[in-house]
Parts: sequence; C-alpha cells; structure tokens
Amino acid sequence: SQQGEEDPQALSIQEGENATMNCSYKTSINNLQWYRQNSGRGLVHLILIRSNEREKHSGRLRVTLDTSKKSSSLLITASRAADTASYFCATVFSGAGSYQLTFGKGTKLSVIP
Amino acid sequence: EPEVTQTPSHQVTQMGQEVILRCVPISNHLYFYWYRQILGQKVEFLVSFYNNEISEKSEIFDDQFSVERPDGSNFTLKIRSTKLEDSAMYFCASSEERAPLYGYTFGSGTRLTVV
Repeated sequence: SQQGEEDPQALSIQEGENATMNCSYKTSINNLQWYRQNSGRGLVHLILIRSNEREKHSGRLRVTLDTSKKSSSLLITASRAADTASYFCATVFSGAGSYQLTFGKGTKLSVIP
Repeated sequence: EPEVTQTPSHQVTQMGQEVILRCVPISNHLYFYWYRQILGQKVEFLVSFYNNEISEKSEIFDDQFSVERPDGSNFTLKIRSTKLEDSAMYFCASSEERAPLYGYTFGSGTRLTVV
C-alpha cells in the first residue's frame, strides 16, 4: 500500500502558535501534496513538493520532504482561527502510468482564538 | 478564480436507484477525476478520465459505476443500483496536465445518502 498517514490525528493550538503536522507513506513517490478541507466542504490544494525537493514555502506554509524516511511535514506559522480545518497529505506514486492521489486520514487542526 | 462546480450538493436516494452526479470542470482543464470520502474515512480515488476515455480506475470503480463527458462542459458519475455503502461525499477534480505542478482543483462535493 502507498497510503499516507498523518499524525497527530487531532491538534489544538492557540492562535499565533505554530502547527506542525506529519505524514508518512510507504512507497516511492513522484510528488506529495497537502490539501485542506473545511468541515463538510471540498479539498483545497495548498502545496506540492516533488520527490527531488526537500523544502518548499508558500506564505505561512512550510513543507519538508524526507524521501529516505518516507515522511513529510507541514508547518503553519502564526496560526489563525481561519486555519481551523482538516489537513491531508496525498501522494502520487512514482510507478509508470499512475497519477492518482492516495490520501492519508488527515489531521484535524483547531486554532483557538 | 476558476472553480470546479458540482451539483447537487446533497442527494438522497433509495437503495437500488440510479444516481447521476454532475460536475463542471475548469474550462481549459483536460483531465478529470472522481474521488469519494465515506464519513470518517480517507478520500479514495475512483477514476480518471482523459480524451473521452477512462485512463485509470481503482478497484472501487466496478461495473456499478460509469463516467461520461456528455458535452464540452459536463463530467458525470453514474452509479447504477445504489447500495447503502455508496453513501459518501463524492468529489470531482480537474487538472490542466496529467501531473499538475500546482495540484488538482476539487469541487465542493456531492453528499450522497442512500437510504
């Protein structure tokens, strides 16, 4: 299985604090993506990191990728109440011809004002 | 900002009935996808579609399911003879490229409830 698995399952922090979520996967990947899902809503793409990249930034987001450990982390700095959502990592397998996203179970982030 | 639009947002159907979930992908996108999320579980890939044919499908996507692009804008998922376990949130997504550098654009989903 090439599933991504996030931890922690749930995270509660105060506004202004940083939030770190981790993701592990099992097989070689082409890229890893992070998505956000507000309660009962659609998935919003946050950031994509390729297998040959180690770190990527986008605004308050920082993603790292360690292919030797098959893991990634998403850091949200200076969190806001509006960051409250579930966050999912999703991998694209590096095998020939497959481009489907394989999602993890997600981390539910609560940012307390 | 361009959006993927899904209708209806919520559909309730009787077990054994057929349902059609509709999606309008972003107009210049060429690759289309369906995913589903059973309540409390992971988002799962169902099918990808390109150039009017299925390019990849999962084990979930059996003969009960079919997809179609009936015109230049809509992309539909048909579920024949629905079962209770088909109850889930169904997400449509689209992308410009097969391996998009900026990820996929998802719709807000259709919540299907089979009773």
